[in-house]
Amino acid sequence: DAGVTQSPTHLIKTRGQQVTLRCSPKSGHDTVSWYQQALGQGPQFIFQYYEEEERQRGNFPDRFSGHQFPNYSSELNVNALLLGDSALYLCASSLVPGVGNEQFFGPGTRLTVL
Amino acid sequence: AQKVTQAQTEISVVEKEDVTLDCVYETRDTTYYLFWYKQPPSGELVFLIRRNSFDEQNEISGRYSWNFQKSTSSFNFTITASQVVDSAVYFCALSGYGGSQGNLIFGKGTKLSVKP
Repeated sequence: DAGVTQSPTHLIKTRGQQVTLRCSPKSGHDTVSWYQQALGQGPQFIFQYYEEEERQRGNFPDRFSGHQFPNYSSELNVNALLLGDSALYLCASSLVPGVGNEQFFGPGTRLTVL
Repeated sequence: AQKVTQAQTEISVVEKEDVTLDCVYETRDTTYYLFWYKQPPSGELVFLIRRNSFDEQNEISGRYSWNFQKSTSSFNFTITASQVVDSAVYFCALSGYGGSQGNLIFGKGTKLSVKP
């Protein structure tokens, strides 16, 4: 049973560029959430996708956008990269959206913006 | 507002010592869930436990135990007879119907180092 997978593992970009990160949820899960984890901090919620729609969004600018595909996989796009976007980006999946559902996390994508 | 505070930034112990990681939370929800996750150096968050706000029973799982006290808004995590493999960053998280609408609000984490 495959867990949550993310690609790529590491990524280096320069300021102003755009980046796309990918996530495949755990088998049987249909809800995907994205989190940003800056160095030395706890993860912060970016947004959640369910039924191919953005259901909830955290306090992130609209430079951060996403998509969910019919197979439940998801992409996170970040435009006009800033140095402050350097972080570990974590994808989490759950059976359905909702309070208290256990979220399974992937290994993350380490993004470095130079 | 919902908030999770882990006051201990870093803890260092010697193998076989017991260690307690503190977690204090704030929420106006009457129904909410608390979680603990472990993040080893590989980066992947590993789920350890989930408790709902109506269940204040303490829980023990092997060398791990959790003490949930609503009166003090705390959900502390104890590792008994620590091992080197316990070295990781541990996060406490909150999920409620209020602001987070089911998504996890994390504390800043406590980095535990267990030395042989």
